[in-house]
Amino acid sequence: GAVVSQHPSRVICKSGTSVKIECRSLDFQATTMFWYRQFPKQSLMLMATSNEGSKATYEQGVEKDKFLINHASLTLSTLTVTSAHPEDSSFYICSASFLNEQFFGPGTRLTVL
Amino acid sequence: GNSVTQMEGPVTLSEEAFLTINCTYTATGYPSLFWYVQYPGEGLQLLLKATKADDKGSNKGFEATYRKETTSFHLEKGSVQVSDSAVYFCALRDTNAGKSTFGDGTTLTVKP
Repeated sequence: GAVVSQHPSRVICKSGTSVKIECRSLDFQATTMFWYRQFPKQSLMLMATSNEGSKATYEQGVEKDKFLINHASLTLSTLTVTSAHPEDSSFYICSASFLNEQFFGPGTRLTVL
Repeated sequence: GNSVTQMEGPVTLSEEAFLTINCTYTATGYPSLFWYVQYPGEGLQLLLKATKADDKGSNKGFEATYRKETTSFHLEKGSVQVSDSAVYFCALRDTNAGKSTFGDGTTLTVKP
């Protein structure tokens, strides 16, 4: 089946620094990828839809300048959390669409100290 | 907009008990419906899906039927195992926009 990877799997950073999370489709090309955020013991909240070669579409309430998304190729989308603060600590999950299915990455645990 | 409501947890069962996790949805059009499972510290894994009314999705002993008349997609398993302990998410996907809407998740714990 289609595989989506994320890197890193977990990251700890200091407040004020920026962190980049990569989402890759390993064996298929994905024109559309999605970024979700999951708080402890809560559901997934869609942050943005990432389209290859164009600007991402952000959900209401998500700061586009804080969560920068770049979908530079058909197999890679990146999420950069800029000037991270402790409240940005969360589990970030990406997914990629392929053949009308959505495949999820394993997630990235971000902890901001 | 679209929404998914699933049974609140946590749910605790003994091994070999019958499991039902309720899920209802509201959506415009004809969404596809999904159940995902998430083990601690991991991402989501697709458990089963149904793409149209009256379809039954099944996998690993779990089943769910797409009921358009009751806008429901309840998850069932006849005999749960300890290894089924996880968080289960019901979700729908808007076929036009392609993005998914998730329920709040139900934590299942199965005791030996």
